[in-house]
Amino acid sequence: SQTIHQWPATLVQPVGSPLSLECTVEGTSNPNLYWYRQAAGRGLQLLFYSVGIGQISSEVPQNLSASRPQDRQFILSSKKLLLSDSGFYLCAWSRARLNGYTFGSGTRLTVV
Amino acid sequence: GIQVEQSPPDLILQEGANSTLRCNFSDSVNNLQWFHQNPWGQLINLFYIPSGTKQNGRLSATTVATERYSLLYISSSQTTDSGVYFCAVDRNAGKSTFGDGTTLTVKP
Repeated sequence: SQTIHQWPATLVQPVGSPLSLECTVEGTSNPNLYWYRQAAGRGLQLLFYSVGIGQISSEVPQNLSASRPQDRQFILSSKKLLLSDSGFYLCAWSRARLNGYTFGSGTRLTVV
Repeated sequence: GIQVEQSPPDLILQEGANSTLRCNFSDSVNNLQWFHQNPWGQLINLFYIPSGTKQNGRLSATTVATERYSLLYISSSQTTDSGVYFCAVDRNAGKSTFGDGTTLTVKP
């Protein structure tokens, strides 16, 4: 069966520090991968999605970037965190564009 | 882009009551999912339902694609049903747009 792993679960980082969040999928190949952010009390906003290695699409201009160095690995990064980067970050995968999403357990990021 | 509206935004029920959550969307879609976000933030897929009706235990969902809405029914609600329910739609680009959710509180 397929599983998705996301870490760390919580993270507290100072303003101006770098960020690297990792997401990996097991049990499938060539998944579509997604990074979403959820602000407190709000819905989910799509940040990045990827349909293959090295293929990244950005949905909103921001202080973050994403990379997909391997088929089942998706990384969310920042060179210098801002206070506004705080939130709950969720990685998701789908087998193809007409299939539903499965989400990881999320990373709660607090920038102080 | 497509707009997704969920109602009601908040719902408080007594344990054992039934409820209906609604999701309206502004354009035709190929995918529609209902999720439950538990108090720990985990998003659990409830239904993948671009059209028709599905049932899973006390939960069922109906999507009427031609009228651009979906309904999630919760029967005999339990305290563990509390959390936020999200509807997410996709117009065939592989990128889902989420509604703002319905926050359900079930009181014992």
